[in-house]
Amino acid sequence: GAVVSQHPSWVICKSGTSVKIECRSLDFQATTMFWYRQFPKKSLMLMATSNEGSKATYEQGVEKDKFLINHASLTLSTLTVTSAHPEDSSFYICSAGAGGFYEQYFGPGTRLTVT
Amino acid sequence: QKEVEQNSGPLSVPEGAIASLNCTYSDRGSQSFFWYRQYSGKSPELIMSIYSNGDKEDGRFTAQLNKASQYVSLLIRDSQPSDSATYLCAGYPQGAQKLVFGQGTRLTINP
Repeated sequence: GAVVSQHPSWVICKSGTSVKIECRSLDFQATTMFWYRQFPKKSLMLMATSNEGSKATYEQGVEKDKFLINHASLTLSTLTVTSAHPEDSSFYICSAGAGGFYEQYFGPGTRLTVT
Repeated sequence: QKEVEQNSGPLSVPEGAIASLNCTYSDRGSQSFFWYRQYSGKSPELIMSIYSNGDKEDGRFTAQLNKASQYVSLLIRDSQPSDSATYLCAGYPQGAQKLVFGQGTRLTINP
């Protein structure tokens, strides 16, 4: 299957700072990337869908000014958590697909802890 | 009614037996279904995709799709303790660009 990487795999930051997470498709061009968050023992929650070269589409209840998403190329999307607070601590996972109704491949995830 | 539904389990199966995981979906126009496996603390891993009615086999895994009854299933033969994980069923509702996931079924294989 296709490979998606995420960086960093974990990060600890202080409250009020911003954190950027990168998601890369390594061996295919991802026209669409998705960002999820997952709390312990809970289901995946889709935060936003991003298409290369256009603005991200955010799910209801997700603050677009707090979670900035950029999909500048067919292999890279970034999620920036701005002014992070302890309640933003979570497991953030991206996925990438080649478009259409085909497979999505998940990155390994980024564990964010805000102190 | 949720678009994709799974029994959350836990489902316990003895080692070597067949584990059967089921999923139903509400949108008859849905197409392209997927099974993901998620180990605790890890991200989901795609294990099977199925696009048309019938069975699709890959090693010990068989995915089954029945569009008339709107269900998708995953069979794991010769279950191993390493198969213990949460299994997520997902599909694309008609016209949707994003995958819709079921809540996942927690599977435990007992040695």
